[in-house]
Amino acid sequence: TQLLEQSPQFLSIQEGENLTVYCNSSSVFSSLQWYRQEPGEGPVLLVTVVTGGEVKKLKRLTFQFGDARKDSSLHITAAQPGDTGLYLCCTAGGTSYGKLTFGQGTILTVHP
Amino acid sequence: DSGVTQTPKHLITATGQRVTLRCSPRSGDLSVYWYQQSLDQGLQFLIQYYNGEERAKGNILERFSAQQFPDLHSELNLSSLELGDSALYFCASSARDGYYEQYFGPGTRLTVT
Repeated sequence: TQLLEQSPQFLSIQEGENLTVYCNSSSVFSSLQWYRQEPGEGPVLLVTVVTGGEVKKLKRLTFQFGDARKDSSLHITAAQPGDTGLYLCCTAGGTSYGKLTFGQGTILTVHP
Repeated sequence: DSGVTQTPKHLITATGQRVTLRCSPRSGDLSVYWYQQSLDQGLQFLIQYYNGEERAKGNILERFSAQQFPDLHSELNLSSLELGDSALYFCASSARDGYYEQYFGPGTRLTVT
């Protein structure tokens, strides 16, 4: 089973600040997804990255996949209170692409 | 709203009991996945069904079982419950068999006392 390490575990910032969350593995990812989970709800898919070096943007969120496909980052520009939540990276692997392995997550709190 | 529904939202029961969690996938989705989320273990894959057939298994305990019915809804059965089974249980669905882009339901919070 591929282990995913996310950092930092907790992040508390003020509205308007920028932040970056990291996801690393010792193994190569076949693909990597980022999800956001708000309290009392299920995770919501933000993005999938597949190609090494790939960069995807979703409004103020920028996702990057490492060239070697062993790491990924999520950068949020000018964070807003609505960005508060648990950010999870995950990968599919093994014999089934549906068997997702999740990192422990980064809990982001954006204060007004 | 992901289109995946789960019932009940909350469940409180005693150790040793048996419970059934229910999931209806998004319209048209044939794959259903079950996950367990706890503070110490994080979000962990339990099992996947596709069109009624078991397709993939994670670290699912022998006390836990699941099935997917002809109308594609799924049930997760948890028996001989222990305190450590207290967790959030999520169901997810996808159109394709074993696909990494999944849509999660709102979850069932199980508390075992």
